[in-house]
Amino acid sequence: EVQVVESGGGSVQPGGSLRLSCAASGFTFKSYSMKWVRQAPGKGLEWISWISNSGSTIIYADSVRGRFTVSRDIARNSLFLRMTSLRAEDSAVYYCVRDGFVETPGATWPALDLWGQGTMVTVSS
Amino acid sequence: DIQMTQSPSSLSASVGDRVTITCRASQSVKNYLNWYQQKPGKAPKLLIYAASSLQSGVPSRFSGSGSGTDFSLTITSLQPEDCATYYCQQADSIPRTFGQGTKVEI
Repeated sequence: EVQVVESGGGSVQPGGSLRLSCAASGFTFKSYSMKWVRQAPGKGLEWISWISNSGSTIIYADSVRGRFTVSRDIARNSLFLRMTSLRAEDSAVYYCVRDGFVETPGATWPALDLWGQGTMVTVSS
Repeated sequence: DIQMTQSPSSLSASVGDRVTITCRASQSVKNYLNWYQQKPGKAPKLLIYAASSLQSGVPSRFSGSGSGTDFSLTITSLQPEDCATYYCQQADSIPRTFGQGTKVEI
């Protein structure tokens, strides 16, 4: 089955750290760029990091740059998000997302075509 | 980053109504515009890609249009199962930014 499954969420105090993992299966992980997207309770979707298929290019949203680190392990088909200096406003469901594409005759169209179920992170004292 | 602005932020309509959501990009994204549907407690699901192409399995009452900076998502006959939040997302450049979402209620 083609899927991505997040783990590692939980409750942490402000200033604390957490490491999220995303296990990919059913597809060629090394061929796809990946993204972390989060959603605070009752709020919209916010992309927070993107990593190219090779891992050579990484970008972060301003809200997490310098505090969060994304990485991937091709051999383990896994994506990670190391979160440090956590704040209350980082409380959210964190989704691991495949930055894939839809293939049509003669063209491919980029789309976030595979989402995990999400893992909840709560930052509170 | 390209900014995506959706309107309205929420709407309430009756079963069978025609519903339209608009999405505007801060610069041209050509037709690299996707729409996602998110039901409560679930992950978003790709609904429309390339501005107007339905993802496999999506009912034909959904349609998308537009190019450049202005796009729309239309549900021709709203059904109870369409209650969800809809997000547009530009796929023209990294990072692939989202609109703020439109919540559709019956």
